[in-house]
Amino acid sequence: KAGVTQTPRYLIKTRGQQVTLSCSPISGHRSVSWYQQTPGQGLQFLFEYFSETQRNKGNFPGRFSGRQFSNSRSEMNVSTLELGDSALYLCASRPAPAGGGGTDTQYFGPGTRLTVL
Amino acid sequence: EDKVVQSPLSLVVHEGDTVTLNCSYEVTNFRSLLWYKQEKKAPTFLFMLTSSGIEKKSGRLSSILDKKELFSILNITATQTGDSAVYLCAVYSGGSNYKLTFGKGTLLTVNP
Repeated sequence: KAGVTQTPRYLIKTRGQQVTLSCSPISGHRSVSWYQQTPGQGLQFLFEYFSETQRNKGNFPGRFSGRQFSNSRSEMNVSTLELGDSALYLCASRPAPAGGGGTDTQYFGPGTRLTVL
Repeated sequence: EDKVVQSPLSLVVHEGDTVTLNCSYEVTNFRSLLWYKQEKKAPTFLFMLTSSGIEKKSGRLSSILDKKELFSILNITATQTGDSAVYLCAVYSGGSNYKLTFGKGTLLTVNP
């Protein structure tokens, strides 16, 4: 089974621009979560989507948004980029959220390295 | 606010040594604790623990959870250079606002 894929793998943007990152979950997985990883803060939860609905959201400003499509693929958008948004953005998938017949085990993609200049 | 603290932050050992990595947590409505290994990019899943006192084992790696004292340890015996990585502990908290909270990780370096 193919793993979680993320595109693009690397991205360079300037302050004020916006960016869209894409994540394709493992086949059959319907839940997708997004995380931001920085050296200072570590891995921080952004949001989780299941059945095209946002299930949960972390403590990030409204500039960070996401969506999920009917084929479970997900996109994350960051508007009005700031220097502090430079990070590795990781996507993780699992069959379904826990409590929905799913599991707590999430499988991560390779990430998108975003650099904001 | 949910909190996961890992110690030590970094560790340097020689091949063949045994290491113990620690993870303590304070969360609301604990569901499970997960360990991941992160080398260059994607964290790879190691263990999920939900019950106290039951050891999970995979080869030279093992982990145990103490739900009374709110901590977990990850043991690696007979370390190899390929074990060099960041080891991440994460706690899944349930309830109406469930999410996965990660610790900052332990950077393990195994020298030949």
